[in-house]
Amino acid sequence: DSGVTQTPKHLITATGQRVTLRCSPRSGDLSVYWYQQSLDQGLQFLIQYYNGEERAKGNILERFSAQQFPDLHSELNLSSLELGDSALYFCASSVGGTVWDNEQFFGPGTRLTVL
Amino acid sequence: DQQVKQNSPSLSVQEGRISILNCDYTNSMFDYFLWYKKYPAEGPTFLISISSIKDKNEDGRFTVFLNKSAKHLSLHIVPSQPGDSAVYFCAASGPPDRHLFNKFYFGSGTKLNVKP
Repeated sequence: DSGVTQTPKHLITATGQRVTLRCSPRSGDLSVYWYQQSLDQGLQFLIQYYNGEERAKGNILERFSAQQFPDLHSELNLSSLELGDSALYFCASSVGGTVWDNEQFFGPGTRLTVL
Repeated sequence: DQQVKQNSPSLSVQEGRISILNCDYTNSMFDYFLWYKKYPAEGPTFLISISSIKDKNEDGRFTVFLNKSAKHLSLHIVPSQPGDSAVYFCAASGPPDRHLFNKFYFGSGTKLNVKP
């Protein structure tokens, strides 16, 4: 158990809909990262938050957005869903996010299926 | 543009033998490299890392080698055990921004199967 929790575990929805994925980082971790893993794909970095502020952006679509709240939990919002958005979405956390403290601990993931 | 590549999607090895997983990267500014291991239905877990100032780091049965001139790193598992069967991701970190925060770039993974 990494200490990172993600809810829900599974989500099935229809095209055009909007969903919210939730992540609670390990106690004491200030950075939260979101990744997407599509079928046969590696982990695609989406976005990183550190202590409530956006720190780094990866291949995140404009239809997707995220935020980190004062209690450090984070939410990833996916809207106007398309079939291709079906994937495993991982959240990870780390103490900081700098070169010296960037070991990331991953949650179990949320499997999103768009029908 | 994939900055970290794992060109072998799968690898099959006999128990007790050496497993060698390879990873190539394109950005010479990367300065920290990590390997993660992922079992089905679980998130990746950190395995071992190496800084660009080293060319080798060892932790038990796991050794990571870094060849900066070739922009290549490899993970050696000796001896391989059936419990090592998993997907292995390599990741690279950097270059840091002015706050020294890093983006992380992951490869597509190599599925290792260790046969008993």
